[in-house]
Amino acid sequence: GAGVSQSPSNKVTEKGKDVELRCDPISGHTALYWYRQSLGQGLEFLIYFQGNSAPDKSGLPSDRFSAERTGGSVSTLTIQRTQQEDSAVYLCASSFEAGRTYEQYFGPGTRLTVT
Amino acid sequence: SQQGEEDPQALSIQEGENATMNCSYKTSINNLQWYRQNSGRGLVHLILIRSNEREKHSGRLRVTLDTSKKSSSLLITASRAADTASYFCATDPNDYKLSFGAGTTVTVRA
Repeated sequence: GAGVSQSPSNKVTEKGKDVELRCDPISGHTALYWYRQSLGQGLEFLIYFQGNSAPDKSGLPSDRFSAERTGGSVSTLTIQRTQQEDSAVYLCASSFEAGRTYEQYFGPGTRLTVT
Repeated sequence: SQQGEEDPQALSIQEGENATMNCSYKTSINNLQWYRQNSGRGLVHLILIRSNEREKHSGRLRVTLDTSKKSSSLLITASRAADTASYFCATDPNDYKLSFGAGTTVTVRA
């Protein structure tokens, strides 16, 4: 079946503008994750959704970042008043369930550039 | 904060040679996973090894895990140009939040 999809693939925005990044997880996957990867770095966990439970937002770097997941499927990551340090690749992943034995399937990412 | 740390940071080998990279981590884990990333985009899951396993094979990949040393290794045998990528280890100290290292960049020369 279809993998995790993300849109847009690339986004260039001016400092101070808001951006929305979208993630469509694999159908049937109940867990959804957002990560951020800065140039040459590993992945930084941002937020996690599992079913209808309250999301784990512990990785969000500031209150300018927020995310929602509607209907247990599509998720949107919003960054308000973007700063240059927000430039990175934002990766979404989903898994069948949250838990220690499930691999995560990643989307192709959105490359965000803040000018 | 990053839990895993890969070593070396970069590796260049000739096609047909083996590539070995290591991962060290800090806290106890439930499992350890290796992922591959091409061209700075999405990651592809390669292999998962549980904390009670010592070695696992998948095709040309061999992963070892030593929980007493808190370390893992990934061996790619008979490397190919298509193996050129960045390789990340990921651990799950908190069940679902994978913690990734900074990765090993592997270049396979034809």
